[in-house]
Amino acid sequence: SQQGEEDPQALSIQEGENATMNCSYKTSINNLQWYRQNSGRGLVHLILIRSNEREKHSGRLRVTLDTSKKSSSLLITASRAADTASYFCATDTGTASKLTFGTGTRLQVTL
Amino acid sequence: DTAVSQTPKYLVTQMGNDKSIKCEQNLGHDTMYWYKQDSKKFLKIMFSYNNKELIINETVPNRFSPKSPDKAHLNLHINSLELGDSAVYFCASSQDSGASGRKFFGPGTRLTVL
Repeated sequence: SQQGEEDPQALSIQEGENATMNCSYKTSINNLQWYRQNSGRGLVHLILIRSNEREKHSGRLRVTLDTSKKSSSLLITASRAADTASYFCATDTGTASKLTFGTGTRLQVTL
Repeated sequence: DTAVSQTPKYLVTQMGNDKSIKCEQNLGHDTMYWYKQDSKKFLKIMFSYNNKELIINETVPNRFSPKSPDKAHLNLHINSLELGDSAVYFCASSQDSGASGRKFFGPGTRLTVL
């Protein structure tokens, strides 16, 4: 069954604004990862946060993890048109490194 | 110098045919995967191989058979294609099968069954 659910399903913002995407999951995890998928392309790994971490930064990305609520958020600050893509959270429960993906958030950044 | 490559990029075929998708990674990774992404963008793991051995086999029909001739290659053969097999298939690899986790994805193969 699907592990991650993302919210919102679609998000449209203007360049320079911040974009926040949320992910909720159902079972205990070893880590949670965020991926980006540009239209017609494969997925690109953005950031990984382990279950014992609460926050992680990478450039304009900030990820939080709340294991008590089984949720994570991805914040993209000062968005750019090039950030337009679908963003997926994926949970790793430690079962042979099987990643279970969420439903994705489609982000549109307009000029 | 593509890390994970797949061929073909597009595959259009008739129902009932047999087809194969090839995947190669030049990252020296031990583990490779096949994922299926449906029309609603939902990604689901199908298979995982570690050093040529099958370690994950989700509830995939027997018509799908992965083959790993060496740890750099994981091919997917599909027999008796059905309309519902239409999707984008992604190959991926990772350093190991443990929880360290980061996956490298190929560009995808868009399969259309007519």
